[in-house]
Amino acid sequence: ETGVTQTPRHLVMGMTNKKSLKCEQHLGHNAMYWYKQSAKKPLELMFVYSLEERVENNSVPSRFSPECPNSSHLFLHLHTLQPEDSALYLCASSQEGQNYNEQFFGPGTRLTVL
Amino acid sequence: GENVEQHPSTLSVQEGDSAVIKCTYSDSASNYFPWYKQELGKGPQLIIDIRSNVGEKKDQRIAVTLNKTAKHFSLHITETQPEDSAVYFCAATPSNSNSGYALNFGKGTSLLVTP
Repeated sequence: ETGVTQTPRHLVMGMTNKKSLKCEQHLGHNAMYWYKQSAKKPLELMFVYSLEERVENNSVPSRFSPECPNSSHLFLHLHTLQPEDSALYLCASSQEGQNYNEQFFGPGTRLTVL
Repeated sequence: GENVEQHPSTLSVQEGDSAVIKCTYSDSASNYFPWYKQELGKGPQLIIDIRSNVGEKKDQRIAVTLNKTAKHFSLHITETQPEDSAVYFCAATPSNSNSGYALNFGKGTSLLVTP
């Protein structure tokens, strides 16, 4: 195990539903990330939180809303998604303060939007 | 922005043979190049990384080489074993990242090692 957990592991939702993905890291890190992984495409960085503040938002549609209540937890709130949002959503964490440190990934949430 | 190209997209080798995966990047300011391995049902896991002040790094059966002039870096796996079968991703740091911690990933290489 990497020390990063994600729940749920699988999620099926309709386009009108509202759901949330949860990520928790047990590594004492102070930076957390959301990535989207689609087939045949590179991992796409969605959001970065450093010291609980959002420091990067890669032009992600507003139907994805991140929340970082503390340095150990990260949420991704989903509403009115589209079928093309179906993908594996990966959470990662790292320790800020040094020159590029390893990012530790969780197992991901497999999201299917019907 | 940074563009990372990775080849090949699939690679099949016999157990015991070597495997090489190559990546190119576009941003000459990139200075950190990690390689991740992703097994089925798991998230990517770092297997080796290299910084721009080093040309080569080795860890047991895996090695990474970096050519800053040509802007490409490669992963070398020797004496491959079936458990090396996975998807491998290269990544590079973009200089235009606000956070300084973002990584741009390649599309991945699906490696299959057959007994």
